[in-house]
Amino acid sequence: NAGVMQNPRHLVRRRGQEARLRCSPMKGHSHVYWYRQLPEEGLKFMVYLQKENIIDESGMPKERFSAEFPKEGPSILRIQQVVRGDSAAYFCASSLGGSGVGDGQYFGPGTRLTVT
Amino acid sequence: DQQVKQNSPSLSVQEGRISILNCDYTNSMFDYFLWYKKYPAEGPTFLISISSIKDKNEDGRFTVFLNKSAKHLSLHIVPSQPGDSAVYFCAASRNDYKLSFGAGTTVTVRA
Repeated sequence: NAGVMQNPRHLVRRRGQEARLRCSPMKGHSHVYWYRQLPEEGLKFMVYLQKENIIDESGMPKERFSAEFPKEGPSILRIQQVVRGDSAAYFCASSLGGSGVGDGQYFGPGTRLTVT
Repeated sequence: DQQVKQNSPSLSVQEGRISILNCDYTNSMFDYFLWYKKYPAEGPTFLISISSIKDKNEDGRFTVFLNKSAKHLSLHIVPSQPGDSAVYFCAASRNDYKLSFGAGTTVTVRA
C-alpha cells in the first residue's frame, strides 16, 4: 500500500544546472499536484496535472519551470538553469479524482533542493 | 501575498492539556479549510477539515472552529499526547484542488 513516492529526497545542484524531481502517485490516482515550500513559508500551489495533460499551471514561474505527467511513468517537475532562489522543498500530492477538495490529496515526503 | 497566516511559529504544551492552534486568512472567497500534520522527513497528512457553512467540526480529540466574520479558525487538541508533537499547517481553498497553506506551527508536547 505504497503512498506517494518522490525521488530524490535530497538534490544538490550548482547554479545553472538542471533539476529533475520525480513523483509517483498513489496506486490508482491519476491526478497530481506540485507544491513548493520556501524557507519560513507555507506550501504554495504550482501545478495540477492529469495523465498527459496540464490542467492548471497558474502557480508555476513563467520561465525555467515545466511539469509533465506522461501516460507511463512518474510525473516530472523540471527546473532549468537553477538559481539560489529555487532552493526549497518541493512536495507532490495525488488524488483519486479531480473533484478537488484538499482532503482528497495525499502528499509525498518531498524533495529538498539545494542550489549552491 | 500570504493569504493564510499562522502567527505562532511554535507552541509548547504539557501532556494531557489542551493545544490551541490559530490561523487567520484574508481571502473572503475561501470556503473550505483544512488542517494538516507533518512529521520530520514526511509529507503533510490530512487531519481535519471544515466547510464554510459550518462553524465547528469534531473528530475524536481534534476540533476545528471557524469564525467567518473574523476570518479566523482554530484547532483544538484535547488531551494533547506526545505523538501530537509535529508541525501543523492550516490550509484554505475555494472548495477546489488549489490549497493555500500557512507557514505552520510547531507543537511540542512535554511529558
